[in-house]
Amino acid sequence: NAGVTQTPKFRVLKTGQSMTLLCAQDMNHEYMYWYRQDPGMGLRLIHYSVGEGTTAKGEVPDGYNVSRLKKQNFLLGLESAAPSQTSVYFCASSATGVSNQPQHFGDGTRLSIL
Amino acid sequence: RKEVEQDPGPFNVPEGATVAFNCTYSNSASQSFFWYRQDCRKEPKLLMSVYSSGNEDGRFTAQLNRASQYISLLIRDSKLSDSATYLCVPSGSARQLTFGSGTQLTVLP
Repeated sequence: NAGVTQTPKFRVLKTGQSMTLLCAQDMNHEYMYWYRQDPGMGLRLIHYSVGEGTTAKGEVPDGYNVSRLKKQNFLLGLESAAPSQTSVYFCASSATGVSNQPQHFGDGTRLSIL
Repeated sequence: RKEVEQDPGPFNVPEGATVAFNCTYSNSASQSFFWYRQDCRKEPKLLMSVYSSGNEDGRFTAQLNRASQYISLLIRDSKLSDSATYLCVPSGSARQLTFGSGTQLTVLP
């Protein structure tokens, strides 16, 4: 039972490079989320999606783009990486809205921008 | 007032002890509450969901006080493996959860 799978697990980029983080879930969940977590801090929501073909901004969306072309996949893109984007990125999904459904997390992508 | 407030700790307790964490929340419309645990540099994992006045699962008990807008987590007979950061997460809007930075627990041998 895979649940939520993130790829890659680790990545080092140079400033200005671009990359895409992939999140895949096999639970047929409608909602998906991307968070970042900096050392000693809580999770901060970057973008989220309430269904295939929809995306919305979270708390810290600047510098990131997302796409949800398929229900099971949620992609996070960095167009021009900056050192301030060095962080651990977590993807999560929930069956429906989070008013009564918990989120299930992937095991994270550790990203370093030099 | 912050949406979620937790004592960051750290709480250092001996094995076998009982420890309790409190969490206050500002959104009186929150209907559901979740406790997650997060090990160092790992993903948060759901520990318990609370939809009414409380919930109990083995050594873990959550109690909700809607009038005072706080929720607590009690851990009995602490184990070394309970060492982690505990996140209190009230539901907010239907689409987002707010995660605080949590309470750090270390259980000592």
